Amino acid sequence: DADVTQTPRNRITKTGKRIMLECSQTKGHDRMYWYRQDPGLGLRLIYYSFDVKDINKGEISDGYSVSRQAQAKFSLSLESAIPNQTALYFCATSDPGQVIEKLFFGSGTQLSVL
Amino acid sequence: GQQLNQSPQSMFIQEGEDVSMNCTSSSIFNTWLWYKQDPGEGPVLLIALYKAGELTSNGRLTAQFGITRKDSFLNISASIPSDVGIYFCAGGDNNDMRFGAGTRLTVKP
Repeated sequence: DADVTQTPRNRITKTGKRIMLECSQTKGHDRMYWYRQDPGLGLRLIYYSFDVKDINKGEISDGYSVSRQAQAKFSLSLESAIPNQTALYFCATSDPGQVIEKLFFGSGTQLSVL
Repeated sequence: GQQLNQSPQSMFIQEGEDVSMNCTSSSIFNTWLWYKQDPGEGPVLLIALYKAGELTSNGRLTAQFGITRKDSFLNISASIPSDVGIYFCAGGDNNDMRFGAGTRLTVKP
């Protein structure tokens, strides 16, 4: 089984709809992240959480919200989806005990907003 | 904010050829990481670099942390078909890690 699991793998929705992307991990890591990937732009950080009571905005948080329901679960919501939120979304975890912040990624959720 | 420039954007090579790609930053970084993304999957860490001038290998992959701390290079020797994917550099500090736009590598058998 994957250490970082994202659901769904693919989602097509309409403009204005509320969407939730879910992430769960079995690595026991405290730190979790949401990134989006766009062609030619690489990976950009949306939100991150260092523990259950900690939520921080990333580089591109506008239009998104997150919830850290437990150490193992971190969900990303689009309250009112718009077409330019069409992208590949990745959840990641890391272990703060490591010297370097190595990220472990899920397999991604491809979101299309029509 | 910190800007990362990764080049080239894409490469088409024959199996067996060597590959080089690089990243430059407008700011000094304390850490450089190189990730590979296979089609349909999330990125996976290849190499981590901790200090200026460091040269680290992982099989056929070699990466270097530039002396100026503003650049890093990744070389792949004797490429094989499974090297296909997108390679990302990432740099910064623990709480502010930025990614390059990626280098898409295609290997022709």
